[in-house]
Amino acid sequence: DAKTTQPTSMDCAEGRAANLPCNHSTISGNEYVYWYRQIHSQGPQYIIHGLKNNETNEMASLIITEDRKSSTLILPHATLRDTAVYYCIVRVLGGTSYGKLTFGQGTILTVHP
Amino acid sequence: GAVVSQHPSWVICKSGTSVKIECRSLDFQATTMFWYRQFPKQSLMLMATSNEGSKATYEQGVEKDKFLINHASLTLSTLTVTSAHPEDSSFYICSARDPGQGSLNTEAFFGQGTRLTVV
Repeated sequence: DAKTTQPTSMDCAEGRAANLPCNHSTISGNEYVYWYRQIHSQGPQYIIHGLKNNETNEMASLIITEDRKSSTLILPHATLRDTAVYYCIVRVLGGTSYGKLTFGQGTILTVHP
Repeated sequence: GAVVSQHPSWVICKSGTSVKIECRSLDFQATTMFWYRQFPKQSLMLMATSNEGSKATYEQGVEKDKFLINHASLTLSTLTVTSAHPEDSSFYICSARDPGQGSLNTEAFFGQGTRLTVV
């Protein structure tokens, strides 16, 4: 799986958009970008994933650069409950290790009032 | 969405005793489950892959005789920490993949985690 680089921490004001970057310059053509988050003392929660097109769901938007070497997770209107560690993971979809995830250190997002 | 449940949410045990943690897939059959460990202020580290009906596959550096994994059914995997010591105190998290999700899958659904404290 390709290595990812994320900022250690970020702050965001409640109600504003939170933009979390992720660098994955060694990503290969068949690797997807996944985002999970972990609220304190809970298991990780899936947010979104994508290959090359931008994706949006009820939780967030995922913007992937044209060269696919970086991406940005956007929480459009952050709330205090979005305070969590956000993990960007790059991996092949499916395959024999389907479901097996390698977590980096992630970004600690703190949403403040 | 699919739900994975862990039990207990937290447990305190005496050094030298064994502790069993259960991981259940509630609305799907999970042929494969994964066990992770997370120390304070650190990321999740995969410990082992639990396969229904066969032996678990352990990651390098994880003692298979200390962390016993049993995947007896398609909805239940258990992790037993044997002869627990204070250094085994950690947050243990399981996940499961739903083969029925197909290409729209999230790949992994996580339990809520189990906080183990060995005193």
